Amino acid sequence: GESVGLHLPTLSVQEGDNSIINCAYSNSASDYFIWYKQESGKGPQFIIDIRSNMDKRQGQRVTVLLNKTVKHLSLQIAATQPGDSAVYFCAENLNSGGSNYKLTFGKGTLLTVNP
Amino acid sequence: ETGVTQTPRHLVMGMTNKKSLKCEQHLGHNAMYWYKQSAKKPLELMFVYNFKEQTENNSVPSRFSPECPNSSHLFLHLHTLQPEDSALYLCASSQDATGGYEQYFGPGTRLTVT
Repeated sequence: GESVGLHLPTLSVQEGDNSIINCAYSNSASDYFIWYKQESGKGPQFIIDIRSNMDKRQGQRVTVLLNKTVKHLSLQIAATQPGDSAVYFCAENLNSGGSNYKLTFGKGTLLTVNP
Repeated sequence: ETGVTQTPRHLVMGMTNKKSLKCEQHLGHNAMYWYKQSAKKPLELMFVYNFKEQTENNSVPSRFSPECPNSSHLFLHLHTLQPEDSALYLCASSQDATGGYEQYFGPGTRLTVT
């Protein structure tokens, strides 16, 4: 099976609430993780990243948490807005041989923000 | 805009046609990627080029042929495709492919094979 996956395929929240999107990974050697947002008709857009030497990283209204013990990643969005409605992907950085790395993506979670 | 452009945005082709997808990045990156995105499936890495050299071919059928003439341009040549090849084809770039760098994606080409 794939090494990166999401617990929930869909998430529906009310505008103004906080959203939490979860992701599990299986490769303990992964050292870099990224969250992407993909809106309809567009390519994935980088949101935030975190390296394995960190547990938490904050951006503008977003926070990523990394729990290496249970190989779990989460994306928290504060005060969710209608413009946040999209599919969110986590990706882990894996060594693909030699000095080359590649990203492995999860299936994605569809976030719907209700007004 | 992410600095990565793709053309065409939409393409319909028959199984006997030959077509090419084009990607260009304006970010000064050295690595470029092709991904396939099908409905309800994770993004699938197809090819990786690092400093114009192909470093990854993820068991892609030979009817898909990539070309990277320089670090800013990437092509995907298509021939004798199958209907199951219909998908969104995404191009991405990153600083290089040797470490933890975020990838920037283009808008994709929506391909339909009839």
